[in-house]
Amino acid sequence: DADVTQTPRNRITKTGKRIMLECSQTKGHDRMYWYRQDPGLGLRLIYYSFDVKDINKGEISDGYSVSRQAQAKFSLSLESAIPNQTALYFCATSDATWTAGLEPQHFGDGTRLSIL
Amino acid sequence: EDKVVQSPLSLVVHEGDTVTLNCSYEVTNFRSLLWYKQEKKAPTFLFMLTSSGIEKKSGRLSSILDKKELFSILNITATQTGDSAVYLCAAYYGQNFVFGPGTRLSVLP
Repeated sequence: DADVTQTPRNRITKTGKRIMLECSQTKGHDRMYWYRQDPGLGLRLIYYSFDVKDINKGEISDGYSVSRQAQAKFSLSLESAIPNQTALYFCATSDATWTAGLEPQHFGDGTRLSIL
Repeated sequence: EDKVVQSPLSLVVHEGDTVTLNCSYEVTNFRSLLWYKQEKKAPTFLFMLTSSGIEKKSGRLSSILDKKELFSILNITATQTGDSAVYLCAAYYGQNFVFGPGTRLSVLP
C-alpha cells in the first residue's frame, strides 16, 4: 500500500461546484502539504500543516481551504471551482526531524482535476 | 520573493549523451537544495545538498551545490531512455520548500 494516498485520482467537474480532495498517510509524519502543478510552473504550495492544530497559507491559497482532521488526514477543498483551478494536485508529507539527514518530502500519486 | 529557476526548460538528447541540468535559487534562510525526478506520477527524491562543493553521486547521476553563487547542477552521464522525465529542483528554506519549473528531459534511442 502507498504511504501517501490521494483520492480521487481523477476528477472532472463543472464550474461552481464544491470539490474535496483527500489525502491520507501511514508514515506517521507531522507535516503535510498541498501543491498544485501546472505545465512549466513546477509545484506551487497551496497550504501546509505542521500538526493537527496548525494550518498555514502557501503561495497560492486563494480559492482553496484545507482541513487537518487528524495527523494522518489532510483534505483540500475548492469551495466554488473555476476553470483555472484545472491542474494536477499533490499531497506530500515530511517528518519534522528530516533536516537531520532523513529523506525529505514524500508525495502521493496526485489528483488530476479538470474544471469545465 | 523566494524563487528557484531551472534551465534549460526542456532538452532532447540521444542515448549515451551526457547532460547537465541547472538550478539557481534566491531564498531567505536557505537550508538545503533538493533534486527530484518526476515521471508519470509523484516526484521521487534524488539528492539533498546542504554543503558547497561536495558532490553527491548515485550511479550515473551526480549533483553539486555552490552556496556562494546560489546554484546547483545535476549531471547525468551515459543517458538512457529511462532517464526521460521532468527533473525538479527545490530549495528548502525556513521550514518550507519552493520548487523550480522543472527541466523536461527526453532521451531518444
